[in-house]
Amino acid sequence: DQQVKQNSPSLSVQEGRISILNCDYTNSMFDYFLWYKKYPAEGPTFLISISSIKDKNEDGRFTVFLNKSAKHLSLHIVPSQPGDSAVYFCAASVGYKLSFGAGTTVTVRA
Amino acid sequence: NAGVTQTPKFQVLKTGQSMTLQCAQDMNHEYMSWYRQDPGMGLRLIHYSVGAGITDQGEVPNGYNVSRSTTEDFPLRLLSAAPSQTSVYFCASSYSFIAGGYEQYFGPGTRLTVT
Repeated sequence: DQQVKQNSPSLSVQEGRISILNCDYTNSMFDYFLWYKKYPAEGPTFLISISSIKDKNEDGRFTVFLNKSAKHLSLHIVPSQPGDSAVYFCAASVGYKLSFGAGTTVTVRA
Repeated sequence: NAGVTQTPKFQVLKTGQSMTLQCAQDMNHEYMSWYRQDPGMGLRLIHYSVGAGITDQGEVPNGYNVSRSTTEDFPLRLLSAAPSQTSVYFCASSYSFIAGGYEQYFGPGTRLTVT
């Protein structure tokens, strides 16, 4: 049973606009949340994270929002750039274990 | 600084064969882990290690063995390969979960096909 769910397998966005990726989780014990980006034939690379005691974290064009009452996480990318075209994984951790969502493929159109 | 390296990049096995996927990191990280990535499933944790001599099971450990004799190396052994083990395998490391080092560095992956 997947504890972290990304219900949108794909997202297409125009260059310069905002990309919003969503993630839901079921385990209320998760204490840290992360987003990873993955290009084809490469390993995932860390993008941004947020502790469960916060509700927002920003890093340049990337902002992660956490709504603990709704068990919902979102990643905003503003503005979207062609190099942002990749698969994005949401992940959550409790103890030493990290659980990943199935991923959302983002395509940025010129 | 090579980061996390994995060998081989590609492998084809016949059902019942055994093999070892190699993983090494040169960042002196305490925590290392193995994941498999399957279509529509994301990455699933197979085994992990919080230091040399300490390993534990993840979400999908059956059919796999690990050991951690040094900080740098964390090999994954397939005991008797099955078609269900066809997947892309990623090794990852991080300095410490306890210290807040949740950010994991991933290797480039090994694509395994079992026929």
